[in-house]
This record gives sequence, C-alpha cells and structure tokens, in this order.
Amino acid sequence: GAVVSQHPSWVICKSGTSVKIECRSLDFQATTMFWYRQFPKQSLMLMATSNEGSKATYEQGVEKDKFLINHASLTLSTLTVTSAHPEDSSFYICSARVTVLHSSYNEQFFGPGTRLTVL
Amino acid sequence: RKEVEQDPGPFNVPEGATVAFNCTYSNSASQSFFWYRQDCRKEPKLLMSVYSSGNEDGRFTAQLNRASQYISLLIRDSKLSDSATYLCVVNSGGRRALTFGSGTRLQVQP
Repeated sequence: GAVVSQHPSWVICKSGTSVKIECRSLDFQATTMFWYRQFPKQSLMLMATSNEGSKATYEQGVEKDKFLINHASLTLSTLTVTSAHPEDSSFYICSARVTVLHSSYNEQFFGPGTRLTVL
Repeated sequence: RKEVEQDPGPFNVPEGATVAFNCTYSNSASQSFFWYRQDCRKEPKLLMSVYSSGNEDGRFTAQLNRASQYISLLIRDSKLSDSATYLCVVNSGGRRALTFGSGTRLQVQP
C-alpha cells in the first residue's frame, strides 16, 4: 500500500514551547490529509482536515490558533502545536487519502504517529 | 450517542479459538465500512473492508447489516499474533474523514 511518514516519531518538550509535526505521503500525492489525536485507551479523534492549497477544516472543540495546520504541497502537511501544555500530551497521527477519479475507491493510509510529551 | 460503538473488551481467548466482534453505527447514510487493527503504540492498519454481501480473507470474515446498522468481524483459529485492538471504522461518504470506534482489545493466550 501507499506509504505515509511522520516526523518526529516522538518528542518531549517543555510547557510553553511549540512543536511541529510533519506528515508526508512518500509515493503518492494527497490533496487531503487528516490529523487525529489519540489519548491512552481511547479511539482516534479527528482534529482537522488538511486540504492542499486552502485552509484546514477543524472539528468542533479544536482550537485552530493552537493547532496550526499547513498543507503547502501535495505531499506534505504540517501540524504545529503552539504553546504546548501537559494536557496536549498525546499520540498524533496523520493520514492521507488516496482517491481515484470516477471511482468510489477511497482508502486512507496512516502515518506511524508522533508521541508528544509536554513536561 | 457515539457515532460508532464497540465493546471495549478485553477479549481473552486461547489460541485456536474463534472470536467475534460487533460494532454498531448511528449514521444511516454511512457508505463505507472497515476493520482496522492497531497494535500498542502503533498506527492503525487496514485489516479489511466490509461489504454488504459479506467478505472473507483467510481466517477473517466481515459482515455488514445495513438494516440494523451493524458490522461484525469473526476471527477463526486465533493466533498469538492476532492480539491487538480492532477498530470498527465508518466513512460517511464524500470528502469526510473516517470515524473510528473506540476499539475492541483482543488478547490471545497460549
């Protein structure tokens, strides 16, 4: 299947700092990427939908000024957690969707995730 | 009510057992259905899509009942390597992201 990478795979930072997470589709172009967050023993929760060349669409309850998303190219989306606090500590996972024109094929491929710990 | 509901488990079964997971979804307009597998501290990986006619992939059988808005996954002859969390996933169509259930944890014991 298609490959999606994330960097970094884990990060530990001090409270108040900003952390940038990159999501790349390695062998395909993705006009749409998604950012999820997963707390321990809970399901993946969609944070935002990242569209290449336009503003991201945020889910209810997700602060767009705190979680900055940039999708500058068809293979790269970034999530920046600004002024991180301990409650932002979580597993952040991106996914990229492969779509085929005139087809219902619509599979998402997930990055390996980034584990953020804010002290 | 959650959009996708699953029994969190854990299901503790011996090797070789048959185990079934169930899932219900609330959005009757949902169009695509999947089972994903997630290992501890890893990303989810697609196990199989679920079709109305039911589909089988080796030891795994998935079924969909649109009238009852119910999805199932059957695992036969469980292996130790099947131990993971199984996520029921629904796509409501269009350009939307996937909606994940909270997952059912399976632990296969020797």
